[in-house]
Amino acid sequence: EVHLLESGGGLLQPGGSLRLSCAASGFTFGDFAMSWVRQAPGKGLEWVSTIHGPGTTTFNADSVKGRFTISRDNSKNTMYLQMNSLTAEDTAVYYCAKNEGHPLENWHFDYWGQGTLVTVSS
Amino acid sequence: QSVLTQPPSVSGAPGQRVTISCTGSSSNIGASHDVHWYKQLPGTAPKVLIFNSNNRPSGVPDRFSGSKSGTSASLAITGLQAEDEADYYCQSYDSSLSGYVFGTGTKVTVL
Repeated sequence: EVHLLESGGGLLQPGGSLRLSCAASGFTFGDFAMSWVRQAPGKGLEWVSTIHGPGTTTFNADSVKGRFTISRDNSKNTMYLQMNSLTAEDTAVYYCAKNEGHPLENWHFDYWGQGTLVTVSS
Repeated sequence: QSVLTQPPSVSGAPGQRVTISCTGSSSNIGASHDVHWYKQLPGTAPKVLIFNSNNRPSGVPDRFSGSKSGTSASLAITGLQAEDEADYYCQSYDSSLSGYVFGTGTKVTVL
């Protein structure tokens, strides 16, 4: 059974940094692209970042380019999201999700973690 | 600001059929990128309901179906049930943005 577990969320001040983790199990982690999707309180879903299986290719939403970095350690079955220069607009529940499909333009998110809350406030 | 537009809400009586539209553009749905649909209950993570425009994962009842035409897609729910009350989101890929996009979301209410 596929299981994704996010951790690392919390409360921090504007301008701060945080690293989220997503521990995966139940599938061959390195064979699949993984993504982060966030949801601000009371708002809709927003794709944030995606990393290919080998970890060599990443792409990010414009809203986080230059501030967020997605990475993965396939030996640990874990994905990360390093978030820098955080603002109040980054306040959201951050979900990790497994990508499925082919080609990448047709990828969907077939499994999701339970999410971790990041709150940016002074 | 989502590039895929959905109605904020739809409602129906138990047993009725409701549809949710997802309107995009030539750089996403109109570019022949697949559309996927997710169901989200309050306080929980989204779950995929329909993938590749009209395919259901195992366990999703056939009351749910998807379609796509031109720059739009639709999710239909037949035989509406109380457990269908949730938020629904469409998702595709946008070639201009080089990334994935979600719809604005639709709240389904069972009267």
